[in-house]
Amino acid sequence: EVQLVESGGGLVQPGGSLRLSCAASGFTFSDHYMDWVRQAPGKGLEWVGRTRNKANSYTTEYAASVKGRFTISRDDSKNSLYLQMNSLKTEDTAVYYCASARSGYDSVGYYYYYMDVWGKGTTVTVSS
Amino acid sequence: QSVLTQPPSVSAAPGQKVTISCSGSSSNIGNNYVSWYQQLPGTAPKLLIYENNKRPSGIPDRFSGSKSGTSATLGITGLQTGDEADYYCGTWVWGWVFGGGTKLTVL
Repeated sequence: EVQLVESGGGLVQPGGSLRLSCAASGFTFSDHYMDWVRQAPGKGLEWVGRTRNKANSYTTEYAASVKGRFTISRDDSKNSLYLQMNSLKTEDTAVYYCASARSGYDSVGYYYYYMDVWGKGTTVTVSS
Repeated sequence: QSVLTQPPSVSAAPGQKVTISCSGSSSNIGNNYVSWYQQLPGTAPKLLIYENNKRPSGIPDRFSGSKSGTSATLGITGLQTGDEADYYCGTWVWGWVFGGGTKLTVL
């Protein structure tokens, strides 16, 4: 069974740090790009960032709202994805989801990207 | 406010058909594939449609997607109470963007 399981959420004070983990199973983790997406209470989905796979040098991209504060990494030997969150703000309070992605170019050269498997999420609360 | 615009809510009776629009521009939807995600209450999002109109294995053909120019549309026929959820469109534009989401109520 294809599965993603997030962990590491909790309560942290503003300015603090937290590291989230995402354990993957049931698919070839190392082949996939991986994303983090968050959802603030009562709000919509917000993309946090992604890491490419080894073939694409594990390069990362981030949303402007987290760039410079959050770092995405992965350990393919452990089938695991990580999100290091520093300088946390109250507006970072959200459920954080990891998702595996499909990426590439189709037969006519158009780029495709979509998130096909999602974890159940882990809750991060930033409050004093 | 998202660059992809969705109606905040739509509603229809069981058995009826509903469409959810996702409006963008030439810099996003106009030149990229769109995918759709369903989020049932209290659960994680699930991929519903990818590459504008393709359904993953296990998604019933009551769900369909289309794209024309700078807009995309999700269609759901034979509405069921279990379809009540939030629906999000999304596309990749030098970073992923989601629409603001549409709450579907099956009356």
